[in-house]
Amino acid sequence: QITLKESGPTLVKPTQTLSVTCTFSGFSLSTSGVGVGWIRQPPGKALEWLGIIYWDDDKHYSPSLKNRLRLTKDTSKSQVVLTLTNADPVDTATYYCAHKHWNFNWFDPWGPGTLVTVSS
Amino acid sequence: DIQMTQSPSSLSASVGDRVTMTCRASQSISNYLNWYQQKPGKAPKLLIHAASILQGGVPSRFSGSGSGTDFTLTISSLQAEDFASYYCQQSDSAPFTFGPGTKVDIK
Repeated sequence: QITLKESGPTLVKPTQTLSVTCTFSGFSLSTSGVGVGWIRQPPGKALEWLGIIYWDDDKHYSPSLKNRLRLTKDTSKSQVVLTLTNADPVDTATYYCAHKHWNFNWFDPWGPGTLVTVSS
Repeated sequence: DIQMTQSPSSLSASVGDRVTMTCRASQSISNYLNWYQQKPGKAPKLLIHAASILQGGVPSRFSGSGSGTDFTLTISSLQAEDFASYYCQQSDSAPFTFGPGTKVDIK
């Protein structure tokens, strides 16, 4: 059974760095084709795809966040970390991580999400 | 990047109704289209992948169709537990963009 869970600070000040950790079980990020994707959702708004990190450490980022977003993985700890620099109130959202199927680009399952608020 | 649109943005329906919503890609994505269901306060759940393949455990009243740029999600007989938001996502090429969603609520 695959499970994922996001964790991190719930409140971040503007200009600081927002960091969320995804801890997963039931799969290995060293398995060919596997990836962990990140998606966020501002309160009351739609899903926004942020990026993905693959088993081979390849990454893709949303063009709108490319300059501020970084994804890193620690395979031994079964963790992926999302880092978003220079946080702004518009970054306030629930952040989700999700498992990417080894052979296709769909995401299932997802973690429960964590709400991060950017405010002074 | 591929842009996704969905219509309608919201709809009101009754239990037992047949409900249809559409998703359109800004360029051809073959059948690389996924549908997710999201209930309030919960994470999205994968319903359909590859445009028409039901994920395991998803009721057969859900169906998907389409290819190229135009796709449809149909609920043949709406049930109380189906009131939720539905998002399409293209999985043809990164960034794997989502549509803006269709919210289905009770008439």
